[in-house]
Order: sequence, then structure tokens, then C-alpha cells
Amino acid sequence: DAKTTQPPSMDCAEGRAANLPCNHSTISGNEYVYWYRQIHSQGPQYIIHGLKNNETNEMASLIITEDRKSSTLILPHATLRDTAVYYCIVHSGGGADGLTFGKGTHLIIQP
Amino acid sequence: ETGVTQTPRHLVMGMTNKKSLKCEQHLGHNAMYWYKQSAKKPLELMFVYNFKEQTENNSVPSRFSPECPNSSHLFLHLHTLQPEDSALYLCASSQEGYGDQPQHFGDGTRLSIL
Repeated sequence: DAKTTQPPSMDCAEGRAANLPCNHSTISGNEYVYWYRQIHSQGPQYIIHGLKNNETNEMASLIITEDRKSSTLILPHATLRDTAVYYCIVHSGGGADGLTFGKGTHLIIQP
Repeated sequence: ETGVTQTPRHLVMGMTNKKSLKCEQHLGHNAMYWYKQSAKKPLELMFVYNFKEQTENNSVPSRFSPECPNSSHLFLHLHTLQPEDSALYLCASSQEGYGDQPQHFGDGTRLSIL
């Protein structure tokens, strides 16, 4: 799986949009971009994933650049419960392979 | 998320004990995984099972022994563990063979070795 680079930490005010960047310059054509988050003492929670097109679900939006070398996860109206470590993972689909986790971004939502 | 259930949530054991961690998924998935998360380290893959067959062992010491009796259940049998094995052990499942299906995680077992 391609390697990803994320800032170690970010702050965001409650109620504002949180924009989390991720670089994945060595991504290959069959690899998807997945985002997970891990709240303290819980297992990672799946948020969203995409291949080329921008994606949106009830939790977040995922913006992938045209060259696919970077992406941004957007939490449109951050709440205190969104404080967590967010992981950007590049992974090819179709087989039972483990995910490669990095250190992620520790997002802190400020009241 | 209640689709993947792990028991127990916390376990304290001595180095000479034998214990087992249990994972059950109610999502109808065919692949299951064990991960280890040590303090201040990223999650590390340990084992992968696909349709009950082990397909990956990520150089895990033999004191960890996985078992997958069916696609819904996964066990991790522990014996003669070391203090450095204290960690959060996470189970995940996914529906493989359908392209880009995400993995879904349980909340883990927090293991402490005395």
C-alpha cells in the first residue's frame, strides 16, 4: 500500500468545518483512499472512502485532487465528539489484506 | 458500532497464564483480522482469515495462536506472554471479493501482562 503523510495534530473550533489533509503521492491506479477515526479507548471507526471522485456521506466529505496525490477529509460542522485521531489510509480493494495505519492526525475540537 | 463484538474488554494475566480473546461479527462478512495497538504506536496487522482460512501471519510470535472456526467467530489464544505484549488487541471484519468494502472494527481487548 502507498504511504500517506498527515499533520500530527490540528485544532478546530466547535461548529466550524474541520479540514484534514493527507498526502499520498505514490498512490497507484487501483488504490482507494480510506479515512478512519479512533476515539480514545475505542476501535477505529470507518468514515468514508473514494477512488477518484469526491464522495459525501452523513459523516463527512472526501475531496480527492485530480492527480490523486492528495485528499482532504471535511467534517462540515465539527462537534466536541469529533475529537479523535484521524487516519488516512491508501489500500487496494478486492482482497483480504490488512490496512497499514500511520500515526494519523489528532484533531482537537475546541469549545 | 455494534457489528463487531470483542470480549473481554479488559484482561489482566500473568506471564504463565493461558487465556483467549474472542471476536464475533454480525455483519455477514467473510474476512476477519487481528491487529495489535501498543502504546504510542500505530496499529499493526497480526493475522488475516478469509473464508476461515488463514491467509496472512505478519511474523507474529507463536505465543499468539489464532483460530477461526467459522466466518463469524475469531479467537486469539494467548500463552506465555511477555510484558511487551501488553496492548489493545483489535478485531476487524470485511466483505472481501467485492472491491472496496471497508473493514469494520470492534472496540478491542485491553490486555495487561503482569
